[in-house]
Amino acid sequence: KQEVTQIPAALSVPEGENLVLNCSFTDSAIYNLQWFRQDPGKGLTSLLLIQSSQREQTSGRLNASLDKSSGRSTLYIAASQPGDSATYLCAAVNYGGATNKLIFGTGTLLAVQP
Amino acid sequence: EPEVTQTPSHQVTQMGQEVILRCVPISNHLYFYWYRQILGQKVEFLVSFYNNEISEKSEIFDDQFSVERPDGSNFTLKIRSTKLEDSAMYFCASTRAASSYNEQFFGPGTRLTVL
Repeated sequence: KQEVTQIPAALSVPEGENLVLNCSFTDSAIYNLQWFRQDPGKGLTSLLLIQSSQREQTSGRLNASLDKSSGRSTLYIAASQPGDSATYLCAAVNYGGATNKLIFGTGTLLAVQP
Repeated sequence: EPEVTQTPSHQVTQMGQEVILRCVPISNHLYFYWYRQILGQKVEFLVSFYNNEISEKSEIFDDQFSVERPDGSNFTLKIRSTKLEDSAMYFCASTRAASSYNEQFFGPGTRLTVL
């Protein structure tokens, strides 16, 4: 059974710092992995999707990497801004599923201090 | 930009009452999902729906839950007799296809409070 965990649970950094959020999964037979942002009391905004055949994806200041052999994905945020403060979730889709259900991690609560 | 919408944003109900949560997925999407997030916990998969039938459901999705696509645009989640533990944020999501490169797009959620 796939288990997805994220560390740290919370992170506070000063504005301008580069940071890395970690996501681990127990079953390496993943189809893809998706990173989301969740603002308090709000929905999930998709940030990046990495297919199992890819090693990384970039969007603006965000770069996500995937290493299936070690069961890890990282989300790199460059030059962090106070507006980046939110909870970041990773979610994996396993091979063999009927319809690509997402299995979510616990999230990392990021606070970027001005 | 197309988006998934959900109504209502907040629903308060008494235990034992029926509730219907509504979603309008992105118009050219074919796969639809419901997830829920109990306060302070992980987002959990409930059910997926394709071609007018349930494709997959979790053990949470028992006989008290049902889903329906009553017309070409709406996708609903019904809870027949709500329990206190059904209090959660319910998210609808959709995707165009079940391929490795298709993202799931989420709605803003409905916060369900069962008293």
